[in-house]
Amino acid sequence: QKEVEQNSGPLSVPEGAIASLNCTYSDRGSQSFFWYRQYSGKSPELIMSIYSNGDKEDGRFTAQLNKASQYVSLLIRDSQPSDSATYLCAVNRLTGGGNKLTFGTGTQLKVEL
Amino acid sequence: DAGVTQSPTHLIKTRGQHVTLRCSPISGHKSVSWYQQVLGQGPQFIFQYYEKEERGRGNFPDRFSARQFPNYSSELNVNALLLGDSALYLCASSKLAGGPNEQFFGPGTRLTVL
Repeated sequence: QKEVEQNSGPLSVPEGAIASLNCTYSDRGSQSFFWYRQYSGKSPELIMSIYSNGDKEDGRFTAQLNKASQYVSLLIRDSQPSDSATYLCAVNRLTGGGNKLTFGTGTQLKVEL
Repeated sequence: DAGVTQSPTHLIKTRGQHVTLRCSPISGHKSVSWYQQVLGQGPQFIFQYYEKEERGRGNFPDRFSARQFPNYSSELNVNALLLGDSALYLCASSKLAGGPNEQFFGPGTRLTVL
C-alpha cells in the first residue's frame, strides 16, 4: 500500500464547474496536510494547508480533512483553464526533530472550455 | 521578498561524475529540505537541515550528501552519478523544522545524466 494515494487522472471538468480531487494516506501519525499545484515543467506551488478535521476555505479552494478516514480532498470552485495542472497531495510526518513530506503521484486536472 | 533560489537551472553530467546543487532559502527561513522528482512521480524526500544540523534523511544511497551553511543556504552533493539520478532536484524552505511547517519550493535544478 502506498503511503499517499491519488488517482492519477486525467480529471476533466468543464470551465465553471467544481473540480474534486481526493487523497488517502496510510500513516495515522500524520499531522499536517498540504496541496501543491504543479504546472508542466515547473516546481510545486503550495496552495492549501490543513491541520485539523473539517473544511478550510481560501478563495476558490476548499481543503477537507477527515483523519478518522485518513482522507484529504481539495475542491476547486468555478474552475478556470488556468487551473489545468497536476495537483499533489502531501502528508507531513515528524521524524527525529524534523519533518518529512510524503507526496502522492499527483492528479492531472484538465479544465475544458 | 525573494523566494527560494536554486542554481544551476539545468545541468548535464556523465555517469560516474559528481554534482553540487545549491539552494538559498526564503529570508527568515532556517530550514532547507531536498527532494528528487522523476517524471510522472511526486517529489521524494532526500534530506532536511535545520540550523546546520541534519534533521531527516530519506531512503537514498550514501552517494547523496548535503550540508547547510551559517547563512542557511544549502548544497546537495551527488557522487558517482548513475543514469537513474536524472531528475528534477527541488529545494524547499521552511521557517522551522518539525511541527506543521509549510514548505515552499524553489524552481528546481534539472539534472540529466548521460
